[in-house]
Amino acid sequence: SQTIHQWPATLVQPVGSPLSLECTVEGTSNPNLYWYRQAAGRGLQLLFYSVGIGQISSEVPQNLSASRPQDRQFILSSKKLLLSDSGFYLCAWSGLSGTEQFFGPGTRLTVL
Amino acid sequence: AQSVTQLGSHVSVSEGALVLLRCNYSSSVPPYLFWYVQYPNQGLQLLLKYTSAATLVKGINGFEAEFKKSETSFHLTKPSAHMSDAAEYFCAVENSGGSNYKLTFGKGTLLTVNP
Repeated sequence: SQTIHQWPATLVQPVGSPLSLECTVEGTSNPNLYWYRQAAGRGLQLLFYSVGIGQISSEVPQNLSASRPQDRQFILSSKKLLLSDSGFYLCAWSGLSGTEQFFGPGTRLTVL
Repeated sequence: AQSVTQLGSHVSVSEGALVLLRCNYSSSVPPYLFWYVQYPNQGLQLLLKYTSAATLVKGINGFEAEFKKSETSFHLTKPSAHMSDAAEYFCAVENSGGSNYKLTFGKGTLLTVNP
């Protein structure tokens, strides 16, 4: 069966510090991968998605970037965090022939 | 472009009462529709999905949803609420215009179940 992992689970960072969140998927190959941010009362905002190694599409211009160095690894990064980067970050995957997305447990980021 | 509207950001029901969470969508192509549930500080879990087969879709935990094309709706129901159903629920539509299965989510409905 497929599983998706995210770490860390929680993170508190000062403004201006770098960020690296990691997501890995097990039990499947060539998944589509997604990063979402969830802010209170604002639903889910798609940040990036990837259909293959090194292929990243950005949905929203912002302070963040994403990379996919391996087939089942998706990384969300920032060089300098802003207060507005605080939120709950969710990684998800979908199969090439599937339609639904499967979500990881999320990372709670607080920028102080 | 697809969009999803969830009517009511907060719904409160009594234990044993009917649960009805409303979702309306707009789509320029036949949509795929989903309901997800999120418990506090957790990821989203798929409840059920509509992919152009039967219009009445049954999901996990006793939930079901009916696709009504004429009303562009996909409301989620459960005959009898349990305390464990308290969570946030998200409706989503797939952008099936060839854009790699991106989902558009509604803003969510927080369900409270009172004893």
